[in-house]
Amino acid sequence: AQSVTQLGSHVSVSEGALVLLRCNYSSSVPPYLFWYVQYPNQGLQLLLKYTSAATLVKGINGFEAEFKKSETSFHLTKPSAHMSDAAEYFCAVSEDNYGQNFVFGPGTRLSVLP
Amino acid sequence: SQTIHQWPATLVQPVGSPLSLECTVEGTSNPNLYWYRQAAGRGLQLLFYSVGIGQISSEVPQNLSASRPQDRQFILSSKKLLLSDSGFYLCAWSGGRGELFFGEGSRLTVL
Repeated sequence: AQSVTQLGSHVSVSEGALVLLRCNYSSSVPPYLFWYVQYPNQGLQLLLKYTSAATLVKGINGFEAEFKKSETSFHLTKPSAHMSDAAEYFCAVSEDNYGQNFVFGPGTRLSVLP
Repeated sequence: SQTIHQWPATLVQPVGSPLSLECTVEGTSNPNLYWYRQAAGRGLQLLFYSVGIGQISSEVPQNLSASRPQDRQFILSSKKLLLSDSGFYLCAWSGGRGELFFGEGSRLTVL
């Protein structure tokens, strides 16, 4: 069975600092990988997805993630944090493109300090 | 473009009362539809999914039920709410490209 771990339930960074949110997955087949962002009292919004094309994936709002098969990782980064980046971030894995076998990580809450 | 809407956005209900949350998708046909729940301090829990009209799969046994009366309509119901049903309910759809697209969410408080 697939599983997703996100190291750190809460990450704090200063405005302008590097954002690094960690995600590791377990999957028996080449996976589809996703990062979602959730602002308070809102639904989840897709940030980016990896579907076996380029290993470095660029998403919205300046975020990007790198797929590393040898490390089974899909860490999310942003060079310079903005106050508006404060939210909860979820990593997810799926073994197909039908959406029925999505597995979400527990989420990481990002705080951005002025 | 495709859009997904769910309502009501906020709901406060007494224990034992019924529940109906509705979700509709526009701009696509034959989507897979999903209901998730986020309880306080917990992650996303898949409750139900549907691959077509009248086809419902339940992931978690509970006092909730789901129905899909039309291709792009998904309804979450309960006959008698429990305190433990409180949470943030999210409807989502997928169309064969891998990702899920989520609605705005419905916050249910059971008192």
